[in-house]
Amino acid sequence: AQSVTQPDIHITVSEGASLELRCNYSYGATPYLFWYVQSPGQGLQLLLKYFSGDTLVQGIKGFEAEFKRSQSSFNLRKPSVHWSDAAEYFCAVGARGGTASKLTFGTGTRLQVTL
Amino acid sequence: NAGVTQTPKFQVLKTGQSMTLQCAQDMNHNSMYWYRQDPGMGLRLIYYSASEGTTDKGEVPNGYNVSRLNKREFSLRLESAAPSQTSVYFCASSWQGADTGELFFGEGSRLTVL
Repeated sequence: AQSVTQPDIHITVSEGASLELRCNYSYGATPYLFWYVQSPGQGLQLLLKYFSGDTLVQGIKGFEAEFKRSQSSFNLRKPSVHWSDAAEYFCAVGARGGTASKLTFGTGTRLQVTL
Repeated sequence: NAGVTQTPKFQVLKTGQSMTLQCAQDMNHNSMYWYRQDPGMGLRLIYYSASEGTTDKGEVPNGYNVSRLNKREFSLRLESAAPSQTSVYFCASSWQGADTGELFFGEGSRLTVL
């Protein structure tokens, strides 16, 4: 069965500083990988996704993530954080094939941005 | 462009009461999902419907039932609510083709069971 680990429950960064959120997955083959962001009281919005090809994927709001097969990781990065990036971030893994997008989510990392 | 719409947004129930959460999507997606979100546990899949006319259990289906009413609508029913079902419920939809499609989420329904 697939699983996702987000080792950092809470991260605080200063506005303008760089950010890296960690995500490790467990899956028997090459998975589909996603990062979602959730603002308070809102649903989840897709930041970026990896299906195949280039292992460095670009997303919305200046985020990027790199798929590293050897480390089973899909870490999310942003070079300069803005106060509006404060939210909860979820990594998710999906199995290839099948008839539905049964994504497995990590437990989330809450990002706090200090001014 | 409404996307995924859930009702109600908030609900308080007493133990043993029943209720139905409604979900509708206007993106012509074929697959729909119900997740619950609990602190420190991320999102867990309750039930999903890969296509109209089919439903399947997810990770935490006990205490819930679902109905895929048509292509647009997917409801979640709690027959006899329990305090352990206090949670935020999210409906999502996706276009499932050859590859896993991204999920589009509603804004959530916060349920409290006393």
